Amino acid sequence: DTGVSQNPRHKITKRGQNVTFRCDPISEHNRLYWYRQTLGQGPEFLTYFQNEAQLEKSRLLSDRFSAERPKGSFSTLEIQRTEQGDSAMYLCASSPRGAEQYFGPGTRLTVT
Amino acid sequence: AQKITQTQPGMFVQEKEAVTLDCTYDTSDQSYGLFWYKQPSSGEMIFLIYQGSYDEQNATEGRYSLNFQKARKSANLVISASQLGDSAMYFCAMREPNAGGTSYGKLTFGQGTILTVHP
Repeated sequence: DTGVSQNPRHKITKRGQNVTFRCDPISEHNRLYWYRQTLGQGPEFLTYFQNEAQLEKSRLLSDRFSAERPKGSFSTLEIQRTEQGDSAMYLCASSPRGAEQYFGPGTRLTVT
Repeated sequence: AQKITQTQPGMFVQEKEAVTLDCTYDTSDQSYGLFWYKQPSSGEMIFLIYQGSYDEQNATEGRYSLNFQKARKSANLVISASQLGDSAMYFCAMREPNAGGTSYGKLTFGQGTILTVHP
C-alpha cells in the first residue's frame, strides 16, 4: 500500500499525559499537512510542512502542540498535557506541489 | 465569516438517480481551487474532484461532476447514477493563497453533507 499511513489509529489517554502521532506521507510528496476534525465538523488546518520546513501554523496549534518533519519524510505531531478538548480525529495529508491532498486514515484521540 | 458553506446537513437519494450537493464559497482572491472529498464511516478522506478558478470547463471525474458558477461563487457536486456505496459524508473545500500571496495549499473545509442512498 503506497498511500498515506498514520499510527496509531486509535489512542486513549488520560488528561495531562503526552501523546505523539506519526504520519508517513506518500513517497516523493514534499508537502505534508496536519488537520484536526471534531465530530460532525469538517477538518481544520493545523500546520504545513514543505520538505522539512514548517511554513505555516494555525492559531489552533497552541503551545502544547508541536510538529516535526526532521528529514522531510515522516512527520510527528505531539500534544503535551492533553486536555479533554483535544479529543478529535487527527488527519495527515500529503501532496506533490500543491495539487490535491491525499489523506491518511487518521488517528482518533480520546482524552479521558 | 464562513469561507465554505454547505447548507444541506443531510440528503437522501434513490439508487441510480442523480443528486446535487450544494457548496458556496467566499474569497476575494482571483486564484483559488475548489475540491470535493468523500468521507465514509471508516473516516478516511477520499479526493473526488478539483476545479481551478481559471478553469473554463466544469470538472468531471467519472460519475462526479462539479457545477462551477464563478459569479455566484458556487461549486456544487453532482453525482450521477447513485450507488449504495456513495452513502457517506461529503466535504467541499477551498484552497486559496495566504495573506502574503503564496499558496501553501492548506484547505478550508465546509461543514459537510451526509448523503444516504436508498435501494
